[in-house]
Amino acid sequence: QVQLQESGPGLVKPSQTLSLTCSVSGGSISSGIYYWSWIRQPAGKGLEWIGRLYTSGSTNYNPSLKSRVTISVDTSKNQFSLRLSSVTAADTAIYYCARDDRAGAAFAFDIWGQGTMVTVSS
Amino acid sequence: QSALTQPASVSGSPGQSITISCTGTSSDVGSYNLVSWYQQHPGKAPKLMIYEVTKRPSGVSNRFSGSKSGNTASLTISGLQAEDEADYYCCSYAGSGTFYVFGTGTKVTVL
Repeated sequence: QVQLQESGPGLVKPSQTLSLTCSVSGGSISSGIYYWSWIRQPAGKGLEWIGRLYTSGSTNYNPSLKSRVTISVDTSKNQFSLRLSSVTAADTAIYYCARDDRAGAAFAFDIWGQGTMVTVSS
Repeated sequence: QSALTQPASVSGSPGQSITISCTGTSSDVGSYNLVSWYQQHPGKAPKLMIYEVTKRPSGVSNRFSGSKSGNTASLTISGLQAEDEADYYCCSYAGSGTFYVFGTGTKVTVL
């Protein structure tokens, strides 16, 4: 059974770059027809899709964040990563990684990590 | 791209049925049969309950059902149970520019 686990610093200073990693266990990140997404949720608020990585390595981003976001993959480690530059307090949120299985529940997020809280503060 | 509109809260008594609406536009909900619904308990990650408007993942109770009419999708929970008390979010694919847009979220209370 595939599981996702986010990791990374819980505190980032304003104007710096937020970096998180999602480790995939129980299956290969590059097998199947999968999109791997990052989604965030400010405390007490709703969900926001950040961007996704396709199995082939191609990426798509939320237009509102596109200029600051990079999602990449390390197939040797079975991980994918998020980098968000020039962060402000508005980027404080729980960050989730999630899977979209085109062979299964397509265009939906069927597996989620537990989430990791990131606070932007000096 | 604005968030899809959901009622802030919906409540019902055990055994009753409730419906949560999710209103978008002709660019998202109205254009694609790719609406999904998520249940989120406090402090937990969201859980997929419905995908492609009406389909249930394996393991999800058949008390949960989805539908769509025009720009509005709906999630119905029948035979409401205490464990259904949670926040619920809809999500729609919105094309190759915006990709995904989530709803504002609905808090379901079991009275």
